[in-house]
Amino acid sequence: EAGVAQSPRYKIIEKRQSVAFWCNPISGHATLYWYQQILGQGPKLLIQFQNNGVVDDSQLPKDRFSAERLKGVDSTLKIQPAKLEDSAVYLCASSSPRGTLAGDQETQYFGPGTRLLVL
Amino acid sequence: AQSVTQPDIHITVSEGASLELRCNYSYGATPYLFWYVQSPGQGLQLLLKYFSGDTLVQGIKGFEAEFKRSQSSFNLRKPSVHWSDAAEYFCAVKYNFGNEKLTFGTGTRLTIIP
Repeated sequence: EAGVAQSPRYKIIEKRQSVAFWCNPISGHATLYWYQQILGQGPKLLIQFQNNGVVDDSQLPKDRFSAERLKGVDSTLKIQPAKLEDSAVYLCASSSPRGTLAGDQETQYFGPGTRLLVL
Repeated sequence: AQSVTQPDIHITVSEGASLELRCNYSYGATPYLFWYVQSPGQGLQLLLKYFSGDTLVQGIKGFEAEFKRSQSSFNLRKPSVHWSDAAEYFCAVKYNFGNEKLTFGTGTRLTIIP
């Protein structure tokens, strides 16, 4: 089974530029998450999709960040314009609503991440 | 709000020695509990998870974790570490009510010395 795919793996941009990240979840996983992981910290949820609908975007800085999952499969996260403090690893994860145990649908599988450096 | 604490920022262990990484959660109810490992430049890999039942959970790579309700803890253990275990380890919790998110600790960096 293929895992969560993300691209690019690394990106360097200057502040005020825009950048986009792409994620393809595990096949059949209806729920997709974007996390921001700042150096030395644990990941923090930015946005959660269920199919192509947003479930939770309460921690997404909507003045500069946007995300979409138009066909309920792959997703893009965009930052425009970028700030220095956006330098972080952006992780995509997915989970499936199916499973034999009550908590199986809560198990998230992560991609390799995109490492962003804003200069 | 739920929170999870990993008291040890950095641990150094000799290869072949035993390992225990601590994790405590703050809320009274029993959450879903997870341990993830992150190697340098990589994403997070699930080591093990606890939902209910047997409080001693076996995971991949020889790791295990024990849920102790009385101590609100879910410590990760391995009887004999290998050099390839050097990585960052994250404990995470999620409650199955409301709109609670998966919440991560700040991580413990594990260094293995020969």
